[in-house]
Amino acid sequence: DAKTTQPNSMESNEEEPVHLPCNHSTISGTDYIHWYRQLPSQGPEYVIHGLTSNVNNRMASLAIAEDRKSSTLILHRATLRDAAVYYCILQNSGNTPLVFGKGTRLSVIA
Amino acid sequence: DGGITQSPKYLFRKEGQNVTLSCEQNLNHDAMYWYRQDPGQGLRLIYYSQIVNDFQKGDIAEGYSVSREKKESFPLTVTSAQKNPTAFYLCASRQLRTGSNQPQHFGDGTRLSIL
Repeated sequence: DAKTTQPNSMESNEEEPVHLPCNHSTISGTDYIHWYRQLPSQGPEYVIHGLTSNVNNRMASLAIAEDRKSSTLILHRATLRDAAVYYCILQNSGNTPLVFGKGTRLSVIA
Repeated sequence: DGGITQSPKYLFRKEGQNVTLSCEQNLNHDAMYWYRQDPGQGLRLIYYSQIVNDFQKGDIAEGYSVSREKKESFPLTVTSAQKNPTAFYLCASRQLRTGSNQPQHFGDGTRLSIL
């Protein structure tokens, strides 16, 4: 699977939007962009995924650049419960396991 | 509720002992996975299975063994050959569908420590 690059950490104020960036310059045409998050002492939780178009769900939005070499996970209104490590992962259309990097540690300040 | 159950939540092992971590899923998912996580690090793949009675090594399989006798169960044995077994172990499952990209679902993990 192609690699992704994320900042090690980010900070946000409570109730403000958060934009978490992810670079994936070597993405192939069949790679999906997945986002997971991991709260302390828990297993990762699926957030959202997409291929080419922007995606929205109840948790977040995923904005994908036109050339697909980068994407941004958007939390519209951060809460203290959103403090977690966020992982951006590329996965091809096959059934290979997810490969995790170190992710971005998001801190939310009250 | 459907989900993945890992037990126990905390496990202690004496040096030289084998220990088995349980993972059960009632999601009817085809594939199951075991990952290891060390403090401050991402997850690393130990083993995975896409069908009953078949499994593949991941990136760090040495010192571990698995079995997949039933679709819903994928136990992981940490053997005495694993020299540094203290870690957080996570089990996951996923539905496999041709032409589709399904998310992985994770359990809450087992924290293994050496006495």
